[in-house]
Amino acid sequence: GAGVSQSPSNKVTEKGKDVELRCDPISGHTALYWYRQSLGQGLEFLIYFQGNSAPDKSGLPSDRFSAERTGGSVSTLTIQRTQQEDSAVYLCASSLMAGVSYEQYFGPGTRLTVT
Amino acid sequence: AQSVTQLGSHVSVSEGALVLLRCNYSSSVPPYLFWYVQYPNQGLQLLLKYTSAATLVKGINGFEAEFKKSETSFHLTKPSAHMSDAAEYFCAASGGGADGLTFGKGTHLIIQP
Repeated sequence: GAGVSQSPSNKVTEKGKDVELRCDPISGHTALYWYRQSLGQGLEFLIYFQGNSAPDKSGLPSDRFSAERTGGSVSTLTIQRTQQEDSAVYLCASSLMAGVSYEQYFGPGTRLTVT
Repeated sequence: AQSVTQLGSHVSVSEGALVLLRCNYSSSVPPYLFWYVQYPNQGLQLLLKYTSAATLVKGINGFEAEFKKSETSFHLTKPSAHMSDAAEYFCAASGGGADGLTFGKGTHLIIQP
């Protein structure tokens, strides 16, 4: 079946612009996770959703970052007023439910470059 | 809070040799532990996980890992390396809650012919 998909696969944007990154989870998966992979910081957990709800937003790097999920499916990660330090690969994962008993399946990522 | 340390950002082994990738965790309670593999331009794929059952965990592609509480380690091994094993390997931990995983910095495995 279809895996987790993310779009766009690559995004180049100018400093100060807003960007939206999209994640389509595996059908039927109620939990969705966002991670950031960068050279300096490695893989960082940003936020997760159980259904449409994000219980803890403290992992988001700054208030320029926001995420939403609608209809228990697609999620968007929005970065406002992008900065060069936002350049990274943004990975999305989904699992049947939230919790360690359920494997997280990762998408291929969106490579964001801020110039 | 969890933290995960992977010793060696790059490991090089000859084809057919033993693969050993090191992972140590820091936690006040034994965490749940995972190894993921990432091939170029692809997402992460789960190799194996430890969830407090057997301390020796077998995964896909011939990999296994042993949880050693006394050493706070969860090293990944494979008896005989194959060229297709060349990839980035990540150790990760969870405290058991429903939030995300804490990852190590990753180890790039290079296989020499």
